[in-house]
Amino acid sequence: QKEVEQDPGPLSVPEGAIVSLNCTYSNSAFQYFMWYRQYSRKGPELLMYTYSSGNKEDGRFTAQVDKSSKYISLFIRDSQPSDSATYLCAMSYNTDKLIFGTGTRLQVFP
Amino acid sequence: DVKVTQSSRYLVKRTGEKVFLECVQDMDHENMFWYRQDPGLGLRLIYFSYDVKMKEKGDIPEGYSVSREKKERFSLILESASTNQTSMYLCASRTSGKNIQYFGAGTRLSVL
Repeated sequence: QKEVEQDPGPLSVPEGAIVSLNCTYSNSAFQYFMWYRQYSRKGPELLMYTYSSGNKEDGRFTAQVDKSSKYISLFIRDSQPSDSATYLCAMSYNTDKLIFGTGTRLQVFP
Repeated sequence: DVKVTQSSRYLVKRTGEKVFLECVQDMDHENMFWYRQDPGLGLRLIYFSYDVKMKEKGDIPEGYSVSREKKERFSLILESASTNQTSMYLCASRTSGKNIQYFGAGTRLSVL
């Protein structure tokens, strides 16, 4: 069993939709949770960073961590075609290595 | 602004060649990382370095070596390239003690 599971998609939604991207994990020691966005043929860029449980909001993006269920989510409101990318979750239990999900490909069509 | 630069975006090499992938960061970060990214497998850590002249094996170090002679530069070396090393290679850096890693644009390597 992988430490971090992420549905690869693709997820295809119309412009303006609310998007929900999710990851599950098995290691209850994870404390640091990140979402990276990766456009085609580019490197990943950090989108959201949260420590421990709870929600964090930044503009149209909301990151949610549920440690009791070992489940993290990224919500995108009012999705735009420019949000079309692969979204990678990443997590760690200390300041050592990051463990990445395999990524979910999102397509937002006009 | 954070900047991690990988010297080549695309490389095509022959089986058996020695290949150098270079990465430079301008943020004075202590830690640097090399990953490969393959469809369905995600990012896998090859090697990382906590500081100059230090290196640690990641999850898939076989067939690779690294060099960190200067703080800003971290090189990945394929001693004898093989077709199964065809992949996207990503370099990242971060401040020691922090989790957030900053990535370069990647090098897409094809070994024929």
